[in-house]
Amino acid sequence: NAGVMQNPRHLVRRRGQEARLRCSPMKGHSHVYWYRQLPEEGLKFMVYLQKENIIDESGMPKERFSAEFPKEGPSILRIQQVVRGDSAAYFCASSPSGSNQPQHFGDGTRLSIL
Amino acid sequence: DQQVKQNSPSLSVQEGRISILNCDYTNSMFDYFLWYKKYPAEGPTFLISISSIKDKNEDGRFTVFLNKSAKHLSLHIVPSQPGDSAVYFCAATDPLGAGKLIFGQGTTLQVKP
Repeated sequence: NAGVMQNPRHLVRRRGQEARLRCSPMKGHSHVYWYRQLPEEGLKFMVYLQKENIIDESGMPKERFSAEFPKEGPSILRIQQVVRGDSAAYFCASSPSGSNQPQHFGDGTRLSIL
Repeated sequence: DQQVKQNSPSLSVQEGRISILNCDYTNSMFDYFLWYKKYPAEGPTFLISISSIKDKNEDGRFTVFLNKSAKHLSLHIVPSQPGDSAVYFCAATDPLGAGKLIFGQGTTLQVKP
């Protein structure tokens, strides 16, 4: 199965710890998007990356959040000093090009903050 | 500011009948629209899309209609099946937004046997 792979599926952190979420795009896809879904809400765009470049981070909180998509390996969404409000489902999507193409999603990482 | 709106949180339909899910948008610059289906604890699954140069696109039981003047699109599922029960999200891309998707809040469809 060459779908979008996210891990871990579930992540529990205490307040103040760091959370690292990983995403491997579909084979042949070089465009990666991260979205966040809070309870009872739709998905909200966070960041768009291509290999080694951040294209659009307009949806990322200004502090504590960062993302990367290195030349080798998965894309990483990193949340430092987590707070209770970071509890959400984080979804990664990939596409072969950046516009007017369906994005294909992974099954998400459910982040719970104690 | 919600640029993509799904005003019906839920919809219940009898198996075999038509399901119609609606979506409104506010930004006339949007040029590509998509529908996704989502089951609990899974990621959204792409269903069907439509470009703003078209007013209809069909794929099997799924048809999407686009009314640009009304800034409205709809997804028709005929015939509805119990396995269609899920949350359906409408999404749009902004040509100035580097391909990011703007999602509606979702509509929960229940198809009763």
